[in-house]
Amino acid sequence: AQSVTQPDIHITVSEGASLELRCNYSYGATPYLFWYVQSPGQGLQLLLKYFSGDTLVQGIKGFEAEFKRSQSSFNLRKPSVHWSDAAEYFCAVGSNDYKLSFGAGTTVTVRA
Amino acid sequence: EAQVTQNPRYLITVTGKKLTVTCSQNMNHEYMSWYRQDPGLGLRQIYYSMNVEVTDKGDVPEGYKVSRKEKRNFPLILESPSPNQTSLYFCASSLKASSYEQYFGPGTRLTVT
Repeated sequence: AQSVTQPDIHITVSEGASLELRCNYSYGATPYLFWYVQSPGQGLQLLLKYFSGDTLVQGIKGFEAEFKRSQSSFNLRKPSVHWSDAAEYFCAVGSNDYKLSFGAGTTVTVRA
Repeated sequence: EAQVTQNPRYLITVTGKKLTVTCSQNMNHEYMSWYRQDPGLGLRQIYYSMNVEVTDKGDVPEGYKVSRKEKRNFPLILESPSPNQTSLYFCASSLKASSYEQYFGPGTRLTVT
């Protein structure tokens, strides 16, 4: 069975600074990988996805993620965060039986 | 506007009193799913539906029922709610199961006392 680990429960970053959120997955085959964002009181919104091809994936809101098979990782990055990026971020892995498994989430706080 | 709607958004109830949380999508999606979100556990899948009249258990189905009589609707039923079902519930849909890209509703916060 697949699983996802997000090692950082909470990250605080200054506005304008760079952000990197870590995600490690466990899955025997080629994974389908996703990052979702949940703003306070909202549902989840898809930021980006990786199915195959270029290992550097661009998403919405200026985010990107890099798939590294050798490290079983799919880390999310943003060069310069805005106060509106304060939210909870979830990494997810999709398996061949169409199931999505989510990590526990990382809460991002942005300080002025 | 393409969306997934859930009702109610907030619900406080007592142990054993049957309740239904409705979910509806207007995108003609085949695949629908219910998740519960608990602190430190992320989202866990309760039930999913590949299409009308086709439903299956997710990771945490105990204490829940679902039905899929119409393509747009996928209600979640708690026949006899218990305090351990206090949680934040999300409904999601995607064009097909193989699409993987799921659209989420705004969530229903349920408290069972």
